[in-house]
Amino acid sequence: DVKVTQSSRYLVKRTGEKVFLECVQDMDHENMFWYRQDPGLGLRLIYFSYDVKMKEKGDIPEGYSVSREKKERFSLILESASTNQTSMYLCASSPGPVTGELFFGEGSRLTVL
Amino acid sequence: AQTVTQSQPEMSVQEAETVTLSCTYDTSENNYYLFWYKQPPSRQMILVIRQEAYKQQNATENRFSVNFQKAAKSFSLKISDSQLGDTAMYFCAFMKLHTGANSKLTFGKGITLSVRP
Repeated sequence: DVKVTQSSRYLVKRTGEKVFLECVQDMDHENMFWYRQDPGLGLRLIYFSYDVKMKEKGDIPEGYSVSREKKERFSLILESASTNQTSMYLCASSPGPVTGELFFGEGSRLTVL
Repeated sequence: AQTVTQSQPEMSVQEAETVTLSCTYDTSENNYYLFWYKQPPSRQMILVIRQEAYKQQNATENRFSVNFQKAAKSFSLKISDSQLGDTAMYFCAFMKLHTGANSKLTFGKGITLSVRP
C-alpha cells in the first residue's frame, strides 16, 4: 500500500515562529503536493513538485515555501507563522505522468496563536 | 481557469438507500478528468471514482457510479445501498490534460454526507 506520512498530526505554534511540516512517501512517486483545507473553502493548492529540487507555486503560495531535497520527502515551511495560517494541511503524492489519483496523508492540523 | 462547484454543503441519507451528490464545473478545455474523493472523519482522503471526459460511458465502482453530462458540465456521484462507512466528506475534482503536465487537481468545496442507521 502507498503510504504518505505527515510528521505531525497536531501542532500549536505562536505568531512569528518558523514552522516545518514534513511529508514522506514510500512509493517512489515523482509528484508531491501541499494543500490547505479550510471549512467552506475546500482544498487549495499551495505548492507542488514534479521532481527533486523542482517546485511550482499553486493557487495560494503567499506566506509559504517548500523544499524537496529527496524524492520521497516534501517539506512545507511557514517562515513566520500568522494566525490566518491556522488550518489543516494535507500532503499528497502521485506517480507521473498524469493519472489524477492522489495519495494523501492524514493531515497536519496547525493552530497559530 | 477551471472552477468546481458543489452547492450542497450537507446531505443525509438512511442506511441502505441511494443518494446523489451534485457537482458542476466550468472549463473551456475539451480533454480532462473528473474525480470524486472521499475523506472519512479523521482519516486520509481516498479516490472513489474517476471519469475521462472523452468517454461517454459513465464510470462505476461497485456501489458508486457517476452521471457525467459533458454538455451541461455536470458530474454527480450516486451511492447505492448506502452504508455507515460512507459517512464522510466528498470532494469533486477536475484535472485538465495537456502535454507534459502532471496531476494538478482543482477541488470543489466538498459536501458532508451523513448515513443514518
